[in-house]
Amino acid sequence: EAQVTQNPRYLITVTGKKLTVTCSQNMNHEYMSWYRQDPGLGLRQIYYSMNVEVTDKGDVPEGYKVSRKEKRNFPLILESPSPNQTSLYFCASSSYDRGRDQETQYFGPGTRLLVL
Amino acid sequence: RKEVEQDPGPFNVPEGATVAFNCTYSNSASQSFFWYRQDCRKEPKLLMSVYSSGNEDGRFTAQLNRASQYISLLIRDSKLSDSATYLCVVSLSGGSYIPTFGRGTSLIVHP
Repeated sequence: EAQVTQNPRYLITVTGKKLTVTCSQNMNHEYMSWYRQDPGLGLRQIYYSMNVEVTDKGDVPEGYKVSRKEKRNFPLILESPSPNQTSLYFCASSSYDRGRDQETQYFGPGTRLLVL
Repeated sequence: RKEVEQDPGPFNVPEGATVAFNCTYSNSASQSFFWYRQDCRKEPKLLMSVYSSGNEDGRFTAQLNRASQYISLLIRDSKLSDSATYLCVVSLSGGSYIPTFGRGTSLIVHP
């Protein structure tokens, strides 16, 4: 089954304690991205990756790091989490239809993070 | 000015009603347009892409108006299961990989 998985799904942590949220896709997609979703603000892109070892900042990258050592995995790293990073996080991977010049994003189930 | 704007709603309609949502975008260079559906506490899922000629999928019809820079979603014969938040998504071009999401329009279909 084609899917994007994230772990953990729920996490409560304390300020300053480094954490990693994993993301994995089994669709051989080149493009992956991370979003956060906050009430009233919608989905905002944190980082994206166009291929292995190629990453770039999205709209709200401050306080986050990513890595793309393998095509299937795109972990999100919070080196020193702060309460303003409490949010719902989604990982996504995309397929690109060259014929239609369109990409379609598939989202993971989300990770709810609470930073105390 | 926000790049992608949607009326947050909620749109509260009875079963069987027809309801329409609009979404405006500010970047005239935008090339790819989508509607996603998001259920409460779940991940967004692609509902349909929006093509220049307009497209229909069952009870759902999407239209693009490049001159006025908006896209629309029409839902006919609303079902209770259509209750969700509908997200408008715009990107500069296929392969740009930097989509911009609207904040979503909430739809509540009641018996």
